[in-house]
Amino acid sequence: DADVTQTPRNRITKTGKRIMLECSQTKGHDRMYWYRQDPGLGLRLIYYSFDVKDINKGEISDGYSVSRQAQAKFSLSLESAIPNQTALYFCAISDLDTQYFGPGTRLTVL
Amino acid sequence: EDQVTQSPEALRLQEGESSSLNCSYTVSGLRGLFWYRQDPGKGPEFLFTLYSAGEEKEKERLKATLTKKESFLHITAPKPEDSATYLCAVRPGRQGNLIFGKGTKLSVKP
Repeated sequence: DADVTQTPRNRITKTGKRIMLECSQTKGHDRMYWYRQDPGLGLRLIYYSFDVKDINKGEISDGYSVSRQAQAKFSLSLESAIPNQTALYFCAISDLDTQYFGPGTRLTVL
Repeated sequence: EDQVTQSPEALRLQEGESSSLNCSYTVSGLRGLFWYRQDPGKGPEFLFTLYSAGEEKEKERLKATLTKKESFLHITAPKPEDSATYLCAVRPGRQGNLIFGKGTKLSVKP
């Protein structure tokens, strides 16, 4: 089984809709992250969490919110999706050092 | 400002033609330099971590090296299955989150 699971893997939605992307892990790591990847821009950090009660904004948090429901689960929400949020979204987990990425969610906002 | 620059943006090689990818960085207090491999539409896969100048790590046809200003990913006798985008990331000392470069897209033709 994969260490990091993301659902859904693909999602097409319309402008203004609320969307939730989910991430779960089986490694027991405390640290979890959400990134987005756009062609030509690389990976950019949206939010990160070092434990259930510790959530922090990353480089590009506007328009997004997160919830750390348990050590193993970290969800990303788009309250009102807009077309420029179309991107690949990755969840990552880490021990104190290396980050390990999930398979990604391809989100398209029409 | 902490920054990571990868070059070239794209590299096309013939099978067996060895070459190197470059990752130049400007960061305050480097706490680690990371190399990842990413296949299209998939999550980045961890390859190496380097911590100090002079350090080297190898895995199959890949060898990563580190100086005080840059890292190289050397690919010896590449095969078509080495085709992927290679990402470099650094962890600055002051804030701990990874800063990614935009990647080098490697294509190896048979």
